[in-house]
Amino acid sequence: AQSVTQLGSHVSVSEGALVLLRCNYSSSVPPYLFWYVQYPNQGLQLLLKYTTGATLVKGINGFEAEFKKSETSFHLTKPSAHMSDAAEYFCAVSGSGGYQKVTFGTGTKLQVIP
Amino acid sequence: NAGVTQTPKFQVLKTGQSMTLQCAQDMNHNSMYWYRQDPGMGLRLIYYSASEGTTDKGEVPNGYNVSRLNKREFSLRLESAAPSQTSVYFCASSAGLATANTGELFFGEGSRLTVL
Repeated sequence: AQSVTQLGSHVSVSEGALVLLRCNYSSSVPPYLFWYVQYPNQGLQLLLKYTTGATLVKGINGFEAEFKKSETSFHLTKPSAHMSDAAEYFCAVSGSGGYQKVTFGTGTKLQVIP
Repeated sequence: NAGVTQTPKFQVLKTGQSMTLQCAQDMNHNSMYWYRQDPGMGLRLIYYSASEGTTDKGEVPNGYNVSRLNKREFSLRLESAAPSQTSVYFCASSAGLATANTGELFFGEGSRLTVL
């Protein structure tokens, strides 16, 4: 069984401030972890992913996330928020190897205040 | 490269009517999925097809049927629509059982369905 918990359904930051979106997961097997972004009236697109290897992963648009096995966390960060970062962000988990079913968190809407 | 294409993008139904959402992908992916997205609930898996010729229930299959028509196409049918099925529906695909698959999903732009 696997699950994802995203803390905070809405997060507001000032333009130029640090973005931190929290994600905790549970998985009975070594996980693959993902962050997806959804802009208004669009589908989801992959922001970044962790599969194996380096625990700090970098994605598009200056975002990065760190896999911490001991804390079962995969928080998303960006040093300086931009207005264009306003969107909804989803954390997701799947099992590793072979066919995987992906489980999504409930999402965090990021508001960037000018 | 079109990726994942869903039709229609918008649909309004009356309670009890039926309809089919169509999805096609051109990435030669093995696995395809149907999700629904509701406010505050994230994405919930309705049905999936791990490979051509197979389909399985996800978290919320009641009231839906699917058909994996061929490797490219995966349709979702509502036989008798209910207001509780008002939602945004997303089709997605992934490499599935292919070697070096990382589980990344590729999404369509969504189909917004309203049931009155």
